[in-house]
Amino acid sequence: NAGVTQTPKFQVLKTGQSMTLQCAQDMNHNSMYWYRQDPGMGLRLIYYSASEGTTDKGEVPNGYNVSRLNKREFSLRLESAAPSQTSVYFCASSESRGLEAFFGQGTRLTVV
Amino acid sequence: GENVEQHPSTLSVQEGDSAVIKCTYSDSASNYFPWYKQELGKRPQLIIDIRSNVGEKKDQRIAVTLNKTAKHFSLHITETQPEDSAVYFCAARASGGSYIPTFGRGTSLIVHP
Repeated sequence: NAGVTQTPKFQVLKTGQSMTLQCAQDMNHNSMYWYRQDPGMGLRLIYYSASEGTTDKGEVPNGYNVSRLNKREFSLRLESAAPSQTSVYFCASSESRGLEAFFGQGTRLTVV
Repeated sequence: GENVEQHPSTLSVQEGDSAVIKCTYSDSASNYFPWYKQELGKRPQLIIDIRSNVGEKKDQRIAVTLNKTAKHFSLHITETQPEDSAVYFCAARASGGSYIPTFGRGTSLIVHP
């Protein structure tokens, strides 16, 4: 039982490049989330998917897009990376909206 | 939307002392309050949670208290140990709207041996 798996763990991008962060969960959870973590800022919600087929913006959605590919997978795309998007990104899932969240191991992204 | 304030941002204690982290929330409709622990370089993990119909919950050395009237909740860790050193996040989830929790900014707890 792997829980929530994110790839990659580390990534360096040049300004303007694009990339997709992948996330998959094997707990049959309905809800999935993408957060970014910056020093002193806590965990800020980028996008979430309350259930398969739906996605909604969180607190800091600008510069990002998401896809809920199926119940297991929820990807985050940066179309044109900016240095302000340097952060640690966490994917998470929960059985239903807002309850106990299980986090992936994180992706440390640096945009130069 | 919900606003969660967490204090202090850093807390330094001696091994064996107690530690208390406090959070306040703005939405009186919030009904679920989880606490997450994040060790250095690791993912956040739930350590305890409380719902609005309960005033206190304990699990071994950790406890959470909730005061709905004052809209604040606290994490209490007794007999602290070096392995309790981590960043702790509180969160509050409203019973309406998006139902997505809002997190506090975190408290870095340092337990000195």
